[in-house]
Amino acid sequence: QVQLQQWGAGLLKPSETLSLTCGVYGGPFSGYYWTWIRQPPGKGLEWIGEINYSGGTNYNPSLKSRVTISVDTSKNQFSLKLSSVTAADTAVYYCARGPFLFTSQVGVGYWGQGTLVTVSS
Amino acid sequence: EIVLTQSPGTLSLSPGERATLSCRASQSVSSNFLAWFQQKPGQAPRLLIYGASTRATGIPDRFSGSGSGTAFTLTISRLEPEDFAVYYCQQYGSSPRTFGQGTKVDIK
Repeated sequence: QVQLQQWGAGLLKPSETLSLTCGVYGGPFSGYYWTWIRQPPGKGLEWIGEINYSGGTNYNPSLKSRVTISVDTSKNQFSLKLSSVTAADTAVYYCARGPFLFTSQVGVGYWGQGTLVTVSS
Repeated sequence: EIVLTQSPGTLSLSPGERATLSCRASQSVSSNFLAWFQQKPGQAPRLLIYGASTRATGIPDRFSGSGSGTAFTLTISRLEPEDFAVYYCQQYGSSPRTFGQGTKVDIK
């Protein structure tokens, strides 16, 4: 059974860097796209970005200047860094698998448990 | 950027009734790369449908997706008590991937 488990700091001050890591257990890592999505309290879902099986990244233009997604294939982990955070970055952050396996669509079918990140002075 | 508009914002129905949710795209979704998710309070979203009409593993057949191009529909044939939730569509055919604003299905 595939499980995604994420961890990282939940309380940040303005201007700090958000850092989250997602570990993938019980299933294959190679070949998939790996995605980060966030959800401000009481609001909808926002796509942050993804990294594909060859290490290529794709970011939301609204966050591109501040976002880095990376992967450590030796540990079956991928990570999110978001710099210069403000209160507007307060959200539940999710890691997820998909939407592609190589060039085949599989949907975003497995999600981490979510991490509430609060930005407050 | 493709903007997805979901309607209605809220759908008030009774168990056993049919639910029809709409997702309209501001431009054609490439290869019909359109997914539907269900989200309950305090939980991560759950994938229901991908590729506009393919049910994800373990999803009951009362959930069905249809549509192409710019108009997509999620249908729940007979609502079960556990189906009352918020539903989101997402396109992943072009970047940035985008979500609709959600439709809440609540109990009438």
